[in-house]
Amino acid sequence: ETGVTQSPTHLIKTRGQQVTLRCSSQSGHNTVSWYQQALGQGPQFIFQYYREEENGRGNFPPRFSGLQFPNYSSELNVNALELDDSALYLCASSLQGANEQYFGPGTRLTVT
Amino acid sequence: QKEVEQDPGPLSVPEGAIVSLNCTYSNSAFQYFMWYRQYSRKGPELLMYTYSSGNKEDGRFTAQVDKSSKYISLFIRDSQPSDSATYLCATSGQAGTALIFGKGTTLSVSS
Repeated sequence: ETGVTQSPTHLIKTRGQQVTLRCSSQSGHNTVSWYQQALGQGPQFIFQYYREEENGRGNFPPRFSGLQFPNYSSELNVNALELDDSALYLCASSLQGANEQYFGPGTRLTVT
Repeated sequence: QKEVEQDPGPLSVPEGAIVSLNCTYSNSAFQYFMWYRQYSRKGPELLMYTYSSGNKEDGRFTAQVDKSSKYISLFIRDSQPSDSATYLCATSGQAGTALIFGKGTTLSVSS
């Protein structure tokens, strides 16, 4: 059984740029959720995707967007990067309707 | 008031000690409760999942939920240096929806 994988591991971007982060869900899981974890904080829910559609969204602006593909993998896109976007971005996969979410190792984004 | 409150610690204990980690939450609609362990620079790892009030035991770990006081706990028996990590409590109101996390408690177990 393959776990959740994310790429890249680390990324450095400049304010105003755009970034795309990628996630492959655990084998058999059809739902992907994205979280932002700032230093010293717990993860904060960004949005969830199921059947290639957004299935819930947290308190994040529209410049945070996502995609889910037929193989259940997912992308998180962030436009017009701000310094406060510097964080660990976590992807979690699950079965639809199940509470157990399994996290990947995260992508650490630094915005300068 | 934050939805989930968790003392960030740090908490330092000697090897073999019993560790108690706690969270409080504000929304009585929350009914699903989880504990995650996160090692430095890694993603959170699901440790325990409980539904509604009660206890759940898994090896050295016991999760406890008291919905009447909106209080959730994780007990670690015979703590080991490998238990040194940040422990995150999480909750949700509906199955399969967003998890709401506490800030995490950093635990250090010394040998």
